[in-house]
Amino acid sequence: GAVVSQHPSRVICKSGTSVKIECRSLDFQATTMFWYRQFPKQSLMLMATSNEGSKATYEQGVEKDKFLINHASLTLSTLTVTSAHPEDSSFYICSGRGDPRGAQETQYFGPGTRLLVL
Amino acid sequence: GENVEQHPSTLSVQEGDSAVIKCTYSDSASNYFPWYKQELGKRPQLIIDIRSNVGEKKDQRIAVTLNKTAKHFSLHITETQPEDSAVYFCAASTGGGNKLTFGTGTQLKVEL
Repeated sequence: GAVVSQHPSRVICKSGTSVKIECRSLDFQATTMFWYRQFPKQSLMLMATSNEGSKATYEQGVEKDKFLINHASLTLSTLTVTSAHPEDSSFYICSGRGDPRGAQETQYFGPGTRLLVL
Repeated sequence: GENVEQHPSTLSVQEGDSAVIKCTYSDSASNYFPWYKQELGKRPQLIIDIRSNVGEKKDQRIAVTLNKTAKHFSLHITETQPEDSAVYFCAASTGGGNKLTFGTGTQLKVEL
């Protein structure tokens, strides 16, 4: 149980374009979704916390106008990287929380999206 | 905010040996401590978690211990196998759906 999917798994785009990443909870309603960024051989850095129907809460140093997060339903959250630049290249991972079959605090992660900006 | 330190950054053990990874946290209000395993290029997967009202929890070859007074918790893997090779992350949270703060990760390599 507690499956989270992400799409796309990999994306290559040109500098200046925008990229949308979808995160879906497939078998539970995720009351909260989290977006992380992970550089090679580094830890997961939380970018923002998103509750369904509310504005996302961004971590310090994360530009909300650059990383647009929408959590329109209990099973879908999207992250849009606007005007992407090479330094935005990274592994983006989402997680969902709220599966009643597990602990309240448990986060279930998606498979990640590898973004490469040329 | 919360700060989680994790040691060692790399750990090599022989198959069948035990592996121990240690984490310390700074926020005394933290009460939920999960451990995740991440294989290269894949998602982190929860392997075990512990709450502050419990001192130890075990699941087959994996155990976690928590010392609230010292604010540290450890992951113990016994009878290690090659498939245990991965990066392990500890994390801490104040619970109630609050965000997780992750440690820096430990690259575990189990050698034949």
